[in-house]
Amino acid sequence: QKEVEQNSGPLSVPEGAIASLNCTYSDRVSQSFFWYRQYSGKSPELIMSIYSNGDKEDGRFTAQLNKASQYVSLLIRDSQPSDSATYLCAVRGGTSYGKLTFGQGTILTVHP
Amino acid sequence: SAVISQKPSRDICQRGTSLTIQCQVDSQVTMMFWYRQQPGQSLTLIATANQGSEATYESGFVIDKFPISRPNLTFSTLTVSNMSPEDSSIYLCSVPKNTEAFFGQGTRLTVV
Repeated sequence: QKEVEQNSGPLSVPEGAIASLNCTYSDRVSQSFFWYRQYSGKSPELIMSIYSNGDKEDGRFTAQLNKASQYVSLLIRDSQPSDSATYLCAVRGGTSYGKLTFGQGTILTVHP
Repeated sequence: SAVISQKPSRDICQRGTSLTIQCQVDSQVTMMFWYRQQPGQSLTLIATANQGSEATYESGFVIDKFPISRPNLTFSTLTVSNMSPEDSSIYLCSVPKNTEAFFGQGTRLTVV
């Protein structure tokens, strides 16, 4: 079993729709969870971080964390073509300062 | 966020040669991290660069192949030694700031 697993893609949604990206992790002591966006040929850009159970909203983005289910998700509302990118879920363990384990990424395409 | 300057941004190298990648941060950080992203893949941690001590390598990565220097709290280098085409990847440095992690712009390496 992979340590961090993302829902298989690619994911295609129409402009204006909600894009839902999911991620599960295996290490129960994980404390910090991140979503990065990576455009083709660019480095990952941090878009959301979440540390406690529940929802965290930032503009059109909502991260959801459920530690009991070892599950973290990212919702993108009112999706735009500029949201088309690879989204990477990253998890930091309970004892590893700064060290991240990444999921395989989900390619999102928002079509007009 | 942190300002991270990484260079070179890209290079094409002959097999059997070595390339040194530099990473400069705008503030002092205890740890710096080096990741590799193979074509179409997610990020894999190579090693953690600690100032004043030897780097800590992840399983599958060895110092002879990926020597790392960390002469001060704002700078690190990663060398890819005796390169083969399999080393063609994007190499990224990352630094933690507060509870989050940020990436340099990456070095796209092609070995021919």
